[in-house]
This record gives sequence, structure tokens and C-alpha cells, in this order.
Amino acid sequence: QVQLVESGGGVVQPGRSLRLSCAASGFTFTTYAMHWVRQAPGKGLEWVAVISYDGSDEYYPASVRGRFTISRDNSKNMVFLQMNSLRPEDTAVYFCARDGQLRTQRPTFFDYWGQGSLVTVSS
Amino acid sequence: SYELTQPPSVSVSPGQTASITCSGHKLGNEYACWYQQKPGQSPMLVIYQDTKRPSGIPERFSGSNSGDTATLTISGTQAMDEADYYCQAWGTTTAAVFGGGTKLTVL
Repeated sequence: QVQLVESGGGVVQPGRSLRLSCAASGFTFTTYAMHWVRQAPGKGLEWVAVISYDGSDEYYPASVRGRFTISRDNSKNMVFLQMNSLRPEDTAVYFCARDGQLRTQRPTFFDYWGQGSLVTVSS
Repeated sequence: SYELTQPPSVSVSPGQTASITCSGHKLGNEYACWYQQKPGQSPMLVIYQDTKRPSGIPERFSGSNSGDTATLTISGTQAMDEADYYCQAWGTTTAAVFGGGTKLTVL
């Protein structure tokens, strides 16, 4: 069965960096785009980043573009989110999610989600 | 940037039909999907590509999308359906957009 397991969350000071990891299993990793989606405490869902199945394309919303970088290691079935210049408003649970379409270059929908990793940005 | 609007809350009696709307400019020209999220859990896909149900999702969940509005309909609502529901659109853009979420109360 499909499993997505996030790690790397924690408490970090404003302006510092943090790297999240997501270990994927149970499917052919190299044929699916992967995403990060976040949810601030008590708030709704916000899409954060996508990387295409082959790693050739990445897209971000304006709120994180230039500060966050998504990457993947297809040899290890892993996807990462490098978060730099963190702000208090980046405090959220970060979910790793699989795109629902095979071999897509752009975001579609999210058919499997991890359990999430909490990132707290505070001094 | 593209925006999707959902009502903050919807209430329904057990066994009745619940409808949750999601509005956006020409949303019918995009694909809409819906997620259910219960407290302390990750979101779960319940409808994708406007009308399709993933394996394991009960038939009482259905969707539609036309004009500026997508709708999630839950027929014969059960207590276990009480949750937050989020719509999401995708299609021609390189971004994924979520609605603000609707809290469904079954009372």
C-alpha cells in the first residue's frame, strides 16, 4: 500500500533554515509528481510546492517562491523541502502528498497524503 | 491569483442530504476535487475530476462542476461524515488552489 512518511520538523528561529524529508513506498515513485501542502494551526490547506515525476519541473506559490526548494531522489524514493529564511507565518503542519495523475508536469490533485510534520517558527 | 470560496459551515440532520459549494471564476472550465479532513487526521480525497470517487469512498458522496460552482453532495449523511471539507481546482495553471474549507456538522 502507498505510504508517505515525513520527517525533519521541529522548532526553528525566524530567518533560519530547515529541511523536511518524505519517504515514499508502495508505488512506482518515478512515475508520479510529488507535492508539499501545509496547514497552519486551526487554518485551511495551502499548497506549497510540486516537483514533476522526473524532477525536471518545479512550481511554487508566491508565498514561498524564492525561499523554499523542492527536490527528489528517485534512487531512494525520497522527496525533500528545503525551507530558508523561515518566518513565523510558515508555522504549520507540512504534508507530503502524491499527485493523482501519472507522469504529470503540473499539479493536479492529491490522492495520498502523509501524516504530516510540524514546523514551528518562533524565537 | 485564483480564489475558491466555500461557506464556513454547513449543518445537516442525519439521513438528509448535505450540499457544500465551492465558487470560483469559470471554475467549470477547470477540474474540481474534494477532500475530507477529520480532527487530527490527514486530508483524504473523496471526489476527483469533478465527479469521480476513489476506491473505497461510499456512493453517497458525489460531485458536480459547472459554470462558477462546484458542489459536493452527501446523500443520506451519517454522523461519521462530520468533518472539514476542502475543494481544490486544477487544470490550466501551474498552481494548485484550495478553498478555505467548510465545517460539516451532522446534528
